[in-house]
Amino acid sequence: GAVVSQHPSRVICKSGTSVKIECRSLDFQATTMFWYRQFPKQSLMLMATSNEGSKATYEQGVEKDKFLINHASLTLSTLTVTSAHPEDSSFYICSAREDRREEKLFFGSGTQLSVL
Amino acid sequence: DAKTTQPTSMDCAEGRAANLPCNHSTISGNEYVYWYRQIHSQGPQYIIHGLKNNETNEMASLIITEDRKSSTLILPHATLRDTAVYYCIVRVGNVYSGAGSYQLTFGKGTKLSVIP
Repeated sequence: GAVVSQHPSRVICKSGTSVKIECRSLDFQATTMFWYRQFPKQSLMLMATSNEGSKATYEQGVEKDKFLINHASLTLSTLTVTSAHPEDSSFYICSAREDRREEKLFFGSGTQLSVL
Repeated sequence: DAKTTQPTSMDCAEGRAANLPCNHSTISGNEYVYWYRQIHSQGPQYIIHGLKNNETNEMASLIITEDRKSSTLILPHATLRDTAVYYCIVRVGNVYSGAGSYQLTFGKGTKLSVIP
Protein backbone atom coordinates (compact mmCIF):
# COMPACT_ATOMS: atom_id res chain seq x y z
CA GLY A 1 0.00 0.00 0.00
CA ALA A 2 0.91 3.64 -0.24
CA VAL A 3 3.39 4.96 2.30
CA VAL A 4 3.23 8.21 4.19
CA SER A 5 6.37 9.18 6.04
CA GLN A 6 6.15 11.55 8.99
CA HIS A 7 9.17 13.09 10.68
CA PRO A 8 10.21 13.47 13.42
CA SER A 9 8.50 10.72 15.40
CA ARG A 10 9.17 12.44 18.68
CA VAL A 11 10.25 15.94 19.62
CA ILE A 12 10.80 17.69 22.91
CA CYS A 13 11.11 21.45 22.91
CA LYS A 14 11.13 24.40 25.24
CA SER A 15 8.12 26.61 25.62
CA GLY A 16 8.16 29.49 23.12
CA THR A 17 10.08 27.67 20.40
CA SER A 18 8.70 26.55 17.05
CA VAL A 19 8.59 22.99 15.81
CA LYS A 20 8.23 21.79 12.23
CA ILE A 21 6.72 18.41 11.36
CA GLU A 22 7.07 16.97 7.86
CA CYS A 23 4.68 14.66 6.08
CA ARG A 24 5.75 13.03 2.83
CA SER A 25 3.93 10.73 0.46
CA LEU A 26 6.70 8.39 -0.66
CA ASP A 27 5.30 6.58 -3.66
CA PHE A 28 2.32 8.63 -4.75
CA GLN A 29 1.18 12.15 -5.35
CA ALA A 30 -1.11 13.70 -2.82
CA THR A 31 -2.99 16.83 -3.77
CA THR A 32 -4.66 16.80 -0.39
CA MET A 33 -3.21 16.07 3.03
CA PHE A 34 -4.85 16.27 6.42
CA TRP A 35 -3.44 17.08 9.84
CA TYR A 36 -4.90 15.56 12.98
CA ARG A 37 -4.16 15.99 16.66
CA GLN A 38 -4.73 13.39 19.34
CA PHE A 39 -4.58 13.98 23.08
CA PRO A 40 -3.99 11.02 25.43
CA LYS A 41 -6.85 8.55 25.53
CA GLN A 42 -8.86 10.62 23.08
CA SER A 43 -9.71 10.17 19.44
CA LEU A 44 -8.13 11.95 16.50
CA MET A 45 -9.37 15.46 15.85
CA LEU A 46 -8.99 17.01 12.42
CA MET A 47 -7.04 20.25 12.55
CA ALA A 48 -6.76 21.29 8.94
CA THR A 49 -6.91 20.25 5.32
CA SER A 50 -3.84 21.00 3.27
CA ASN A 51 -4.11 21.49 -0.48
CA GLU A 52 -1.06 21.64 -2.71
CA GLY A 53 -0.41 25.14 -3.93
CA SER A 54 -3.14 26.84 -1.92
CA LYS A 55 -3.93 27.94 1.61
CA ALA A 56 -4.92 25.33 4.14
CA THR A 57 -8.45 25.10 5.47
CA TYR A 58 -8.58 25.04 9.26
CA GLU A 59 -11.24 23.49 11.44
CA GLN A 60 -13.15 25.65 13.85
CA GLY A 61 -11.15 26.47 16.92
CA VAL A 62 -7.74 25.80 15.36
CA GLU A 63 -5.53 28.89 15.23
CA LYS A 64 -4.10 29.25 11.76
CA ASP A 65 -1.39 31.63 12.91
CA LYS A 66 -0.20 29.12 15.47
CA PHE A 67 -0.34 26.03 13.32
CA LEU A 68 1.25 27.00 10.02
CA ILE A 69 0.70 24.55 7.20
CA ASN A 70 2.63 24.56 3.95
CA HIS A 71 1.90 22.17 1.10
CA ALA A 72 4.37 23.31 -1.53
CA SER A 73 4.61 20.11 -3.53
CA LEU A 74 2.53 17.05 -4.33
CA THR A 75 4.56 14.93 -1.94
CA LEU A 76 5.26 17.20 1.03
CA SER A 77 3.20 19.04 3.60
CA THR A 78 4.61 20.62 6.74
CA LEU A 79 3.00 21.66 10.00
CA THR A 80 4.82 24.24 12.09
CA VAL A 81 3.72 24.74 15.66
CA THR A 82 4.79 28.29 16.39
CA SER A 83 5.63 29.53 19.89
CA ALA A 84 4.74 26.17 21.34
CA HIS A 85 3.32 25.96 24.86
CA PRO A 86 2.80 22.95 27.13
CA GLU A 87 -0.86 22.75 26.14
CA ASP A 88 0.27 22.09 22.56
CA SER A 89 1.82 18.83 23.69
CA SER A 90 0.02 16.16 21.73
CA PHE A 91 0.32 13.43 19.12
CA TYR A 92 0.17 14.97 15.63
CA ILE A 93 -0.71 12.76 12.68
CA CYS A 94 -0.83 13.52 8.98
CA SER A 95 -2.70 11.68 6.29
CA ALA A 96 -2.71 11.83 2.54
CA ARG A 97 -5.10 10.87 -0.20
CA GLU A 98 -3.63 9.30 -3.28
CA ASP A 99 -5.05 11.16 -6.23
CA ARG A 100 -5.77 8.23 -8.49
CA ARG A 101 -6.91 5.59 -6.08
CA GLU A 102 -10.10 5.02 -4.20
CA GLU A 103 -11.10 7.11 -1.30
CA LYS A 104 -8.61 5.61 1.12
CA LEU A 105 -6.51 7.81 3.31
CA PHE A 106 -3.02 6.74 4.32
CA PHE A 107 -1.61 7.91 7.60
CA GLY A 108 1.83 8.79 8.83
CA SER A 109 3.20 7.20 11.97
CA GLY A 110 2.63 10.33 14.02
CA THR A 111 4.76 12.84 15.92
CA GLN A 112 4.70 13.03 19.69
CA LEU A 113 5.33 16.64 20.67
CA SER A 114 6.25 17.42 24.26
CA VAL A 115 6.62 21.08 25.19
CA LEU A 116 8.42 21.72 28.45
CA ASP B 1 -21.31 12.25 7.74
CA ALA B 2 -23.45 9.73 9.62
CA LYS B 3 -22.70 9.05 13.25
CA THR B 4 -21.54 5.64 14.38
CA THR B 5 -21.87 3.76 17.66
CA GLN B 6 -19.34 1.17 18.75
CA PRO B 7 -18.76 -0.69 22.02
CA THR B 8 -16.05 0.91 24.10
CA SER B 9 -14.02 -2.25 24.50
CA MET B 10 -13.93 -5.94 23.66
CA ASP B 11 -11.74 -8.91 24.46
CA CYS B 12 -10.92 -11.76 22.13
CA ALA B 13 -8.91 -14.93 22.67
CA GLU B 14 -5.87 -15.31 20.49
CA GLY B 15 -6.61 -17.45 17.43
CA ARG B 16 -10.34 -16.89 17.62
CA ALA B 17 -12.39 -14.66 15.37
CA ALA B 18 -12.90 -11.11 16.56
CA ASN B 19 -16.27 -9.64 15.60
CA LEU B 20 -16.49 -5.90 16.05
CA PRO B 21 -19.96 -4.37 15.63
CA CYS B 22 -20.85 -0.88 14.48
CA ASN B 23 -24.22 0.83 14.33
CA HIS B 24 -24.81 3.54 11.74
CA SER B 25 -28.59 3.81 11.61
CA THR B 26 -28.58 7.24 9.93
CA ILE B 27 -26.32 6.25 7.06
CA SER B 28 -27.19 7.74 3.68
CA GLY B 29 -27.30 5.92 0.38
CA ASN B 30 -24.01 7.37 -0.83
CA GLU B 31 -22.06 6.85 2.37
CA TYR B 32 -19.45 4.14 2.65
CA VAL B 33 -18.49 2.24 5.78
CA TYR B 34 -14.77 2.40 6.54
CA TRP B 35 -12.75 0.62 9.17
CA TYR B 36 -9.40 1.81 10.44
CA ARG B 37 -7.38 0.72 13.42
CA GLN B 38 -4.79 2.45 15.54
CA ILE B 39 -2.16 0.52 17.37
CA HIS B 40 -0.82 2.38 20.38
CA SER B 41 1.28 5.44 19.51
CA GLN B 42 0.99 4.87 15.77
CA GLY B 43 -1.01 6.42 12.97
CA PRO B 44 -4.28 4.79 11.91
CA GLN B 45 -4.13 1.93 9.46
CA TYR B 46 -6.73 1.32 6.77
CA ILE B 47 -8.44 -2.06 7.06
CA ILE B 48 -11.39 -2.27 4.72
CA HIS B 49 -14.37 -0.37 3.36
CA GLY B 50 -17.66 -1.12 1.62
CA LEU B 51 -20.91 0.36 0.40
CA LYS B 52 -23.51 -2.37 0.63
CA ASN B 53 -21.94 -5.66 -0.36
CA ASN B 54 -19.86 -7.74 1.99
CA GLU B 55 -16.15 -7.27 1.44
CA THR B 56 -13.09 -9.36 2.22
CA ASN B 57 -9.39 -8.68 1.95
CA GLU B 58 -6.22 -10.10 3.41
CA MET B 59 -6.81 -8.39 6.73
CA ALA B 60 -10.50 -8.76 7.46
CA SER B 61 -14.07 -9.20 6.31
CA LEU B 62 -16.78 -6.57 6.42
CA ILE B 63 -20.38 -7.66 6.76
CA ILE B 64 -22.98 -4.95 6.12
CA THR B 65 -26.62 -5.63 6.94
CA GLU B 66 -29.14 -5.42 4.15
CA ASP B 67 -30.63 -2.19 5.51
CA ARG B 68 -27.06 -0.85 5.93
CA LYS B 69 -27.82 0.34 9.44
CA SER B 70 -25.09 -1.74 10.99
CA SER B 71 -21.96 -3.63 10.08
CA THR B 72 -19.47 -6.06 11.58
CA LEU B 73 -15.74 -6.19 11.08
CA ILE B 74 -14.39 -9.71 11.36
CA LEU B 75 -10.77 -10.55 12.03
CA PRO B 76 -10.81 -14.28 11.33
CA HIS B 77 -7.89 -15.37 13.49
CA ALA B 78 -6.96 -12.67 15.96
CA THR B 79 -3.34 -12.36 17.04
CA LEU B 80 -1.76 -10.32 19.79
CA ARG B 81 -0.68 -7.80 17.17
CA ASP B 82 -4.33 -7.08 16.44
CA THR B 83 -4.70 -5.39 19.82
CA ALA B 84 -5.69 -1.84 18.86
CA VAL B 85 -8.48 0.71 18.78
CA TYR B 86 -10.78 0.00 15.85
CA TYR B 87 -12.68 2.87 14.28
CA CYS B 88 -15.84 2.49 12.22
CA ILE B 89 -16.41 5.57 10.06
CA VAL B 90 -19.09 6.37 7.53
CA ARG B 91 -18.54 9.03 4.93
CA VAL B 92 -19.52 10.08 1.47
CA GLY B 93 -17.44 8.33 -1.14
CA ASN B 94 -18.28 10.46 -4.16
CA VAL B 95 -15.00 11.16 -5.90
CA TYR B 96 -16.38 14.37 -7.34
CA SER B 97 -17.39 15.88 -4.01
CA GLY B 98 -14.15 17.75 -3.56
CA ALA B 99 -11.27 17.45 -1.14
CA GLY B 100 -13.45 18.01 1.90
CA SER B 101 -15.20 14.71 1.35
CA TYR B 102 -12.05 12.75 1.98
CA GLN B 103 -11.50 13.81 5.52
CA LEU B 104 -12.32 11.20 8.12
CA THR B 105 -14.15 11.98 11.33
CA PHE B 106 -13.01 9.63 14.07
CA GLY B 107 -15.23 8.59 16.95
CA LYS B 108 -13.98 6.87 20.07
CA GLY B 109 -13.73 3.43 18.50
CA THR B 110 -13.56 0.03 20.12
CA LYS B 111 -10.50 -0.97 22.06
CA LEU B 112 -9.89 -4.60 21.14
CA SER B 113 -7.67 -6.58 23.48
CA VAL B 114 -6.47 -9.94 22.17
CA ILE B 115 -5.69 -12.19 25.08
CA PRO B 116 -3.16 -15.06 24.95
